[in-house]
Amino acid sequence: AQSVTQPDIHITVSEGASLELRCNYSYGATPYLFWYVQSPGQGLQLLLKYFSGDTLVQGIKGFEAEFKRSQSSFNLRKPSVHWSDAAEYFCAVGNFGNEKLTFGTGTRLTIIP
Amino acid sequence: DADVTQTPRNRITKTGKRIMLECSQTKGHDRMYWYRQDPGLGLRLIYYSFDVKDINKGEISDGYSVSRQAQAKFSLSLESAIPNQTALYFCATSDPGTAEETQYFGPGTRLLVL
Repeated sequence: AQSVTQPDIHITVSEGASLELRCNYSYGATPYLFWYVQSPGQGLQLLLKYFSGDTLVQGIKGFEAEFKRSQSSFNLRKPSVHWSDAAEYFCAVGNFGNEKLTFGTGTRLTIIP
Repeated sequence: DADVTQTPRNRITKTGKRIMLECSQTKGHDRMYWYRQDPGLGLRLIYYSFDVKDINKGEISDGYSVSRQAQAKFSLSLESAIPNQTALYFCATSDPGTAEETQYFGPGTRLLVL
């Protein structure tokens, strides 16, 4: 069965600092990987996705993620965070057709001035 | 206008009541999904539908039922609500016609069962 682990429940970073959110997955074949963001009181917005090809994917809002098959990881990064990045971030893994999209438990990001 | 809408956005109900959450989409997608979100548990799949005639149970379907009235509409019912069904419920859609199938989410319905 596929699974996703986000080991950090809550992360606090200073505005302007760099950010890395961790995501590890378990899946038997080549996974489809996603990062979603949920701002307070909002639904989920897709940040970026990986299906194949270049292992470094660029997303919206200046985010990027790198697929590392050897480490079963898909970590999300941003070089300089803004106060508006405060939100909850979810990593998800899907199979072909994505009828089985499995989410991690989320990482809540707090930005301090 | 939003591509995926959910009504109501907030709902308070009492134990034992039957309630329905509705989802509509204008994306023209065949596939629709219902998830619930609980703090510390992420999102869990309740039901999914690949088309009007194809409905499947997800990870946590007990206590829920669904109806796919049309391609654009997918409703979730709680036949007899209980307090541990208090959660944030999301509807999502996807298009199997694309090689890179992605799920798009509605804004969510916050449900409180007293």
